[in-house]
Amino acid sequence: EVHLVESGGDVVQPGGSLRLSCAASGFTFDDYTMHWVRHVPGKGLEWVALINWDGVNTYYADSVKGRFTISRDNSRSSLYLQMYGLRTADTALYYCARGMPYNFDFWGQGTLVTVSA
Amino acid sequence: IVLTQSPATLTLSPGDRATLSCRASQSVGSYLAWYQHKPGQAPRLLIYDAFNRAPGIPARFSGSGSGTDFTLTISSLEPEDFAVYYCQQRSDWPPLTFGGGTKVEIK
Repeated sequence: EVHLVESGGDVVQPGGSLRLSCAASGFTFDDYTMHWVRHVPGKGLEWVALINWDGVNTYYADSVKGRFTISRDNSRSSLYLQMYGLRTADTALYYCARGMPYNFDFWGQGTLVTVSA
Repeated sequence: IVLTQSPATLTLSPGDRATLSCRASQSVGSYLAWYQHKPGQAPRLLIYDAFNRAPGIPARFSGSGSGTDFTLTISSLEPEDFAVYYCQQRSDWPPLTFGGGTKVEIK
């Protein structure tokens, strides 16, 4: 059974940084493109970033480009999102999602990032 | 590509038929997916490539359309179907984009 478990969410001040992690199990992790998608409270879903199977190719939403970095460690079946220069608009529930490759067939339960002074 | 979903809220009773719309600002071919999202739960893929049901998705969920106009139909609403539904395109990216969502609520 596919499992994705996010961690690392926290309350952080504007301008701060945070690193999210996603532990994957139940499938061959390095066969898949992986994504981060966020859900802003009271609003909809927003795709944040993707990384291909070997980590060579990464893509980002314009709203996070230059501030967030997606990475993966296939030996640990883990996905990461390093976030710098956090803004109040980045407050959201962050989901790790498995790509098929550009739809999302399995999602984690999410980790909450709150950016507030 | 901007995806516009309508209506924003659909108020129906169990057993009713639900028809949700997603319109794209330019053609996405058949590269349109639908997701169900309940509070406190992970989103769930329902339909991909306009009309293909994801594994394990009941037959009461169906998708149709191509180009710019798409529909998700729930033939007879079950109590567990009351949720927010999002469409998503993979035709032209980055970015991958979602619609704003349609909330299906109980009448």
